[in-house]
Parts: sequence; C-alpha cells; structure tokens
Amino acid sequence: QKEVEQNSGPLSVPEGAIASLNCTYSDRGSQSFFWYRQYSGKSPELIMSIYSNGDKEDGRFTAQLNKASQYVSLLIRDSQPSDSATYLCAGLYNFNKFYFGSGTKLNVKP
Amino acid sequence: NAGVTQTPKFQVLKTGQSMTLQCAQDMNHNSMYWYRQDPGMGLRLIYYSASEGTTDKGEVPNGYNVSRLNKREFSLRLESAAPSQTSVYFCASSPNYRGVAKNIQYFGAGTRLSVL
Repeated sequence: QKEVEQNSGPLSVPEGAIASLNCTYSDRGSQSFFWYRQYSGKSPELIMSIYSNGDKEDGRFTAQLNKASQYVSLLIRDSQPSDSATYLCAGLYNFNKFYFGSGTKLNVKP
Repeated sequence: NAGVTQTPKFQVLKTGQSMTLQCAQDMNHNSMYWYRQDPGMGLRLIYYSASEGTTDKGEVPNGYNVSRLNKREFSLRLESAAPSQTSVYFCASSPNYRGVAKNIQYFGAGTRLSVL
C-alpha cells in the first residue's frame, strides 16, 4: 500500500508570511510528486510538480523533494487570503498510478 | 479547451437505483481515472484505465463498474446505489508518457452524488 502522509491542519498563517506544507511518502520507487490546490467545492488544480531532488521554483511557490528522506514540501511565499485552500500532495509510480494524501487545509488571515 | 468534462454535476439517487457517470477528455490522453472524495479525506482511486481497452481496480472498487468506451470516454456505473456511495466523484486523465516522469493528472469538475 503506497501512502502519502500529510498533516490535516488547519495551518494558519498571516497574510504576507511564508506557508510551509509538508508530506512524507512510503514508496521509494515513486517517480514524481505533485502539489494540487483544492478550493472548497471545487476540483483539484495542479500547483507544482517535481521529480528531481532539490528545489523547484515557480513564482511564489517552491517545491522541495528529498528522496533520501522521502519528503516533499511546498513553500508559499507572500501568502495571500486567496491561497486559503486544501493542498493535496500526490505521488506517481509506474508512470500512470497516482496516490494522494488526505490534504492540508491552509488558512491565510488578512 | 474543455479538458475533462463530467456529467452530471449533481445527482440524487434512492438506495438500489443505478446510474452511470460520464467522463470525456479532449487532450488525447492515454490514461483515465475515477476517484471518490469524502469529507476530510483525500482522493481514493476507484478504477483506472492505463490505455484504451484496459481497466484495472483501484483502492475502492466494490460496488462500481467502469467502461473505457474509446480513448476519449471513461464511464463509471453504480449498479445498485448504497448510502455509503454518497460522495464527490472526480474523473481525471493523464498522458501516461513512457519513460518520462512528467505525467500530470487533469481533473474534471466533479459529480456530487447523494444516495438516500
């Protein structure tokens, strides 16, 4: 059973702060990892993907992957109230099988 | 670009009724998926189709059947609905590139199903 563990939160940060979201995964053979944002009542939308060790930056978002520690994180700089959502971490194996964590709820307070 | 289209968006069933959830993608993706999402939980895979003509069980397949009608369409059928199947159902697709660890899933808007 492949698993992704996330803290369910809620994680509360003030507007303008850095939000740090983390997940750990069980399968060392996983090829890629993804962060999806899901607003209440909406479908998941992709924020970041990462498949190499290290950092990957895209605007205010930075994904970090540490395969030795089986750890993935997402940093959101200059957090905005519009970033308030549930963030799902997902892993990929066998090129077509995805498994998801239960999500971390982020609240950004004005 | 429609992406992944699901129908219907909402449905209320009585216990024992049957229905089919439809999903179509216009991105020429090989793989398609059906998930359910219950409150406070992540996405749980019901069935997936790695390519046209193939289907496989996921984590929670009991009570469901699927059909990969063609490359574009992947339907989910509830033969005899039960209250435990009340959930939000998401269809997704991905390219399934071989040898490239860049496969990304794209999701439909979801179907909110209530079984009374």
